[in-house]
Amino acid sequence: AQTVTQSQPEMSVQEAETVTLSCTYDTSENNYYLFWYKQPPSRQMILVIRQEAYKQQNATENRFSVNFQKAAKSFSLKISDSQLGDTAMYFCAFMKGRGGANSKLTFGKGITLSVRP
Amino acid sequence: DSGVTQTPKHLITATGQRVTLRCSPRSGDLSVYWYQQSLDQGLQFLIQYYNGEERAKGNILERFSAQQFPDLHSELNLSSLELGDSALYFCASSVGPAGSSGANVLTFGAGSRLTVL
Repeated sequence: AQTVTQSQPEMSVQEAETVTLSCTYDTSENNYYLFWYKQPPSRQMILVIRQEAYKQQNATENRFSVNFQKAAKSFSLKISDSQLGDTAMYFCAFMKGRGGANSKLTFGKGITLSVRP
Repeated sequence: DSGVTQTPKHLITATGQRVTLRCSPRSGDLSVYWYQQSLDQGLQFLIQYYNGEERAKGNILERFSAQQFPDLHSELNLSSLELGDSALYFCASSVGPAGSSGANVLTFGAGSRLTVL
């Protein structure tokens, strides 16, 4: 079974600064995807970024980027130029395989990020 | 609007009662997933359906059941409700077969908040 660990329960960052959220996972699979989802106060789950395990290049989406270290089973999220709207809970998630019919997500416990004005 | 519709948004009921939560997936999505989010347990996977068939089962109690209908909408039935069943229940959907575009991305609905008194 896969496990996802987010050891930091809370973080705080000043607006416009950079923050990194940590995530580690454990799996014996070789093909998988990793995700970061954001849950703002509205409680909606929003996809932030995804990484395919077979790709060595780290994924980026505007101000969001990841540091994917496959050997270390580490998948951190970097948020640059933090904005007040980034205040949310962030979940790291793992998906075995290549998607399709057997593609459930296993989530970490989440980290609460507060962006200070 | 994510395209995944969940009803009702809020539900308050008493212990021992039975409720049904409904989910309409994004147009074209074949897989439906149910997750439970409670304060102490985080996001827990309950069950997945793919094109009407059960594909994966997680930590779903025997008091809970689900199904996916021919029009691909899904219902989660919760019976003999207990105080501890109070939670936010998410439905998510994803596109069909492995290899198809977006097959590995789960899109979440806004959730159904259940309060058991």
